[in-house]
Amino acid sequence: AQSVTQLDSQVPVFEEAPVELRCNYSSSVSVYLFWYVQYPNQGLQLLLKYLSGSTLVKGINGFEAEFNKSQTSFHLRKPSVHISDTAEYFCAVSGGRTGGFKTIFGAGTRLFVKA
Amino acid sequence: EAGVTQFPSHSVIEKGQTVTLRCDPISGHDNLYWYRRVMGKEIKFLLHFVKESKQDESGMPNNRFLAERTGGTYSTLKVQPAELEDSGVYFCASSQKSEQYFGPGTRLTVT
Repeated sequence: AQSVTQLDSQVPVFEEAPVELRCNYSSSVSVYLFWYVQYPNQGLQLLLKYLSGSTLVKGINGFEAEFNKSQTSFHLRKPSVHISDTAEYFCAVSGGRTGGFKTIFGAGTRLFVKA
Repeated sequence: EAGVTQFPSHSVIEKGQTVTLRCDPISGHDNLYWYRRVMGKEIKFLLHFVKESKQDESGMPNNRFLAERTGGTYSTLKVQPAELEDSGVYFCASSQKSEQYFGPGTRLTVT
């Protein structure tokens, strides 16, 4: 069975500071890894994804994540956050390489960016 | 290209009533998924269609929930009768390969 653990439920940070949102996963098979963002009153938006290849993945809005197979982690980072990054962030995993598999989500991390 | 759409965006019903949620996937996407997030908890998988067939319905909580996907296009999720614990946000997603595209969700409130 697959599972995802987001280690922080809330992360407060000042504007222009760096941020890291932590995510660990467990799976007995190769996985695809994702980070989604949900802004207030909006749906889920894909930030970035790891399918294969380079372990450093760059996404939208200046975010990046690094896949670490030995530590089963996929932490999300941004070197300098903006007020507009305030949102809830979800780490997710899906299994298999044929596509069409359900996605398992972490509990979410609320990022609060303060002026 | 239109994204995944869901209707209604918000529904408020009384306990014991019936509600039907609709999802229109991206055109050409064979895979359609339903997820939900109840208050304060993680987003949980409900079921997965491949075209009109249910591929995996292991996440459906009980027999008060019925999902259909007529002709392999749009899908409906009916809750009958609704209970208080069914309140939450119901997301639909569609995919052709590995990336799932999510709709904006339907916020269901059962009072």
